[in-house]
Amino acid sequence: GAVVSQHPSWVICKSGTSVKIECRSLDFQATTMFWYRQFPKQSLMLMATSNEGSKATYEQGVEKDKFLINHASLTLSTLTVTSAHPEDSSFYICSASRSLNTEAFFGQGTRLTVV
Amino acid sequence: DAKTTQPPSMDCAEGRAANLPCNHSTISGNEYVYWYRQIHSQGPQYIIHGLKNNETNEMASLIITEDRKSSTLILPHATLRDTAVYYCITGENYGQNFVFGPGTRLSVLP
Repeated sequence: GAVVSQHPSWVICKSGTSVKIECRSLDFQATTMFWYRQFPKQSLMLMATSNEGSKATYEQGVEKDKFLINHASLTLSTLTVTSAHPEDSSFYICSASRSLNTEAFFGQGTRLTVV
Repeated sequence: DAKTTQPPSMDCAEGRAANLPCNHSTISGNEYVYWYRQIHSQGPQYIIHGLKNNETNEMASLIITEDRKSSTLILPHATLRDTAVYYCITGENYGQNFVFGPGTRLSVLP
């Protein structure tokens, strides 16, 4: 299968600062990328859908001004958590697919801890 | 909300077959059944998917009932490394914006 890589794998930041998480498709071009969030002992929750060259579509209840998503190229999408607070501490996971009707591959996840 | 229901947990002895059930009674005709698993602190890993025929690959077998309202994922010879949360998901697009339920936590015991 194709490889999707996230960076960093884990990050600790101070409350009030911003953190950027990268999602890269290493061996294919991804027109669509998805961002999920997973709190401890819970399942993955879709946050937003990101299409290359256009604005992301956010799920209900996800603040688009707090979770900035940029998908500027076919191999890279970034999620920036702005003004992070401890309640934003979570496991953030991306997935990527070549197109709407092709399999999505998941990254290894990024664990964010806000202190 | 997730459109599938799975038992919250299951145990399986190492070397034996693990049979994980999933109910998806509201599945529509053009929706696939996907199975992913998530080992602790990692991203989900694709296992298998199917539409209406049974499927088999190097990891597992997927048995879908004739009415498509339920399915079973079979790991033929479970190992300790198969301990994970297994998610059964339905959807039209081949692996797109999935709605994950709580899944089944499979514990493979020595």
